[in-house]
Amino acid sequence: SQKIEQNSEALNIQEGKTATLTCNYTNYSPAYLQWYRQDPGRGPVFLLLIRENEKEKRKERLKVTFDTTLKQSLFHITASQPADSATYLCALEDDKIIFGKGTRLHILP
Amino acid sequence: DAGITQSPRHKVTETGTPVTLRCHQTENHRYMYWYRQDPGHGLRLIHYSYGVKDTDKGEVSDGYSVSRSKTEDFLLTLESATSSQTSVYFCAIGSSSAGKGTDTQYFGPGTRLTVL
Repeated sequence: SQKIEQNSEALNIQEGKTATLTCNYTNYSPAYLQWYRQDPGRGPVFLLLIRENEKEKRKERLKVTFDTTLKQSLFHITASQPADSATYLCALEDDKIIFGKGTRLHILP
Repeated sequence: DAGITQSPRHKVTETGTPVTLRCHQTENHRYMYWYRQDPGHGLRLIHYSYGVKDTDKGEVSDGYSVSRSKTEDFLLTLESATSSQTSVYFCAIGSSSAGKGTDTQYFGPGTRLTVL
């Protein structure tokens, strides 16, 4: 069956360190993968999109990698700040957009 | 929230009553989507529209219908609400580079629906 999996456990990272979130998928061949941020009580906000022919994408302190062989995307936040605390969702395109369940990230001061 | 509004923002209703949620956009995007978000399930697509009067089913469409008579408005109707439809409902909009997908989706603020 098709699956898209993110760390179900919350991730606690010390301020200033790099936070790394994982998105794994099976039985999909997405043309691209996206990452969104969601704060409590609000809708998801788009952060980055990476296409299947791109290995890495950066935006300010954010970096996304996409390994189609491993069927995995990694989302990195460098120099993390308490304001980065949120739930992060990955989403892939498979005819329609399919979202993972998200990983809660806590940046500890 | 990228020119997307949802109404109402909160609603409490009783089992068996019809409910209509409205999504309004000012971005002139072709694609509009309705999702529900529940603990343990994440975001799940209910229905989507790829143009005026053009709609299609998503992953969890049973018990829901949609209509899009204007580019800017996408309505989600629960014909006879059930307690299992208690959820947070998000509308999203997007443009598309290919197929039925969209490069990026912009989400509304959500509607919290409680069915008693």
